Amino acid sequence: AQSVSQHNHHVILSEAASLELGCNYSYGGTVNLFWYVQYPGQHLQLLLKYFSGDPLVKGIKGFEAEFIKSKFSFNLRKPSVQWSDTAEYFCAVNALGNEKLTFGTGTRLTIIP
Amino acid sequence: KAGVTQTPRYLIKTRGQQVTLSCSPISGHRSVSWYQQTPGQGLQFLFEYFSETQRNKGNFPGRFSGRQFSNSRSEMNVSTLELGDSALYLCASSSDLVTEAFFGQGTRLTVV
Repeated sequence: AQSVSQHNHHVILSEAASLELGCNYSYGGTVNLFWYVQYPGQHLQLLLKYFSGDPLVKGIKGFEAEFIKSKFSFNLRKPSVQWSDTAEYFCAVNALGNEKLTFGTGTRLTIIP
Repeated sequence: KAGVTQTPRYLIKTRGQQVTLSCSPISGHRSVSWYQQTPGQGLQFLFEYFSETQRNKGNFPGRFSGRQFSNSRSEMNVSTLELGDSALYLCASSSDLVTEAFFGQGTRLTVV
């Protein structure tokens, strides 16, 4: 069975600080990897995704993530955060050809102006 | 292009009652998945429907059921509601060409 671990439950940063949120997954086969964001009162939105190819993927709003297969990791990064990045971030995986997403428990990010 | 629409947005039900939630996927999307989101358990997969057939199922009791219609709209039913069923129920749709789920705003169910 798949599982996803997000080690940081709540991260507090000042504006302009750099961000890295950890995500590790457990699955023996080929996976697709996703980061979703949930802004307060809004629906889950896709930040970025990795299916294959270049392990460094760029998403919306300046976010990027790197897939490191040997570490089963897909960490999310942003060089300089903004107050508007305050939200909950979810890492998710699904097996190739399977729509079922397995989510991590989420990381709440609070940006202090 | 309209997004995923879930109705109603909020529901309050009493223990023992049943409830039906509705989801209209993005036009052209044939896969509809349902998730339960709670503070304690996070986002948990309930089931997925594709072309009116249940294709995947999570680890929820049989009180949770769903169906999909020929226009891809989906409904989720929970019978004999328990207090622990209080949650945000999210629907996601995706195209059969690209595995990328688009989520609705959810239905907030409160069981009292």
